[in-house]
Amino acid sequence: KNEVEQSPQNLTAQEGEFITINCSYSVGISALHWLQQHPGGGIVSLFMLSSGKKKHGRLIATINIQEKHSSLHITASHPRDSAVYICAVQKTSYDKVIFGPGTSLSVIP
Amino acid sequence: EPEVTQTPSHQVTQMGQEVILRCVPISNHLYFYWYRQILGQKVEFLVSFYNNEISEKSEIFDDQFSVERPDGSNFTLKIRSTKLEDSAMYFCASTSTGSGYTFGSGTRLTVV
Repeated sequence: KNEVEQSPQNLTAQEGEFITINCSYSVGISALHWLQQHPGGGIVSLFMLSSGKKKHGRLIATINIQEKHSSLHITASHPRDSAVYICAVQKTSYDKVIFGPGTSLSVIP
Repeated sequence: EPEVTQTPSHQVTQMGQEVILRCVPISNHLYFYWYRQILGQKVEFLVSFYNNEISEKSEIFDDQFSVERPDGSNFTLKIRSTKLEDSAMYFCASTSTGSGYTFGSGTRLTVV
C-alpha cells in the first residue's frame, strides 16, 4: 500500500482557474512537503508544513493532521504553472522523504 | 539562496562501467540523501548519510552502490558496475536543524 496518495493524477485547467491538488497519507508525520518538478527537471521545494496553512504568492498549502490530508491550491493559474506537483512526507525530522506519485498539471492559455 | 549542486547534469555510460555522481550539499547541512527517479515513476529513496556513515538505506541500495563524503563539501554516489535498469534521474538532498529540505537539480544517468 502506498503511504502517500495524490489526486487527481492528471489535471488540465484553463488559464485563470483555481486549482486544488489533494494529498492523503497513512503514516504519522513530522512534516509534509509540496514539491514542483518540470519535465526533465529538478525538484523545487514549494512548502514544508507541519500544521495549518502557508501561502506564497499564488500558492496556498494546507494540512489537517487529524485527517492526514493536505491540499495545494493555485489561484489564478497560468501556463507557467504547468508541472508535476508532488506531495511527500517525513515521519521524523531528518528522516528520508517518502514521495507521492505526483499530479501532472497542464494549464492551457 | 543556498543551493545543492549536482554534477554532471547528464551522464551516459556503458553497461558494466563504474560511475560517480557528485553532489555539493549546502555548507552547514549535516544530513545528506540520495534519491532516484526512473522515467515515468515516482521518486524513490536510496540512502541517507549522517556523521560520516550511512544512517538508512533502501533495498535498492545493494552492494553495487556506495556513498562517500571524501572531504568537507562533496557527497558522492558510486555505482560500481552499471546496469541498464540503473538509468534514472538521481537527486541529492540535504538538511539540518532549523533548515528546510533542499534538493539538487539532479543527474540524468543513461546506461547504454
